[in-house]
Amino acid sequence: AIQMTQSPSSLSASVGDRVTITCRASQGIRNDLGWYQQRPGRAPKLLIYASSTLQSGVPSRFSGSGSGTDFTLTISSLQPEDFATYYCLQDYNYPWTFGQGTKVEIK
Amino acid sequence: EVQLVESGGGLAQPGGSLRLSCAASGFPFNLYNMNWVRQAPGKGLEWVSYISSGGSAIYYADSMKGRFTISRDNVNNSLYLQMNNLRAEDTAVYYCGRVASGWRIDYWGQGTPVTVSS
Repeated sequence: AIQMTQSPSSLSASVGDRVTITCRASQGIRNDLGWYQQRPGRAPKLLIYASSTLQSGVPSRFSGSGSGTDFTLTISSLQPEDFATYYCLQDYNYPWTFGQGTKVEIK
Repeated sequence: EVQLVESGGGLAQPGGSLRLSCAASGFPFNLYNMNWVRQAPGKGLEWVSYISSGGSAIYYADSMKGRFTISRDNVNNSLYLQMNNLRAEDTAVYYCGRVASGWRIDYWGQGTPVTVSS
């Protein structure tokens, strides 16, 4: 199975900060990667798919990039509602695999 | 409005069985592939299983092969997960998710909790 290594596992940031989360695949996955946000006690929410395509309704401060093995999720200006845990998910082949998550906390 | 509503979770003994259901509405269920994803308490997300729109293609995570069975009823717009020989490590919230084009999980249910304990 493809392993997804996400970093950092947690970070502290302030409202208005630029935040970057990375995900590395153990083998090339083209651009078959999505990013999901999960707030405590809630179901995950799709933010980005195909590495860089913004899901409908998601604010434009979220962006994604990368292909092959290295991917990035960027939040250009952190908002209070963005404090959550973020996961990458490779959908290149089965079994799909998630990164271990990045918890974004308030500084 | 797309809705996915899971049910069937609860307490099971080690070695026991549970059948989870996911009732879908607000979209043509028979045209969409579906997934199950789980999350153990305080842990990250773990992909569980996939079934194609017609049920002909099915995949499982390695740790669930031979114990879990995914199925669907396109007449009644329902997705199922039969879980047998349950282990303590299967304790988790189980989510069903719709797979949209581009292989993204664009809608998720609210989850149903499963606890495996004696």
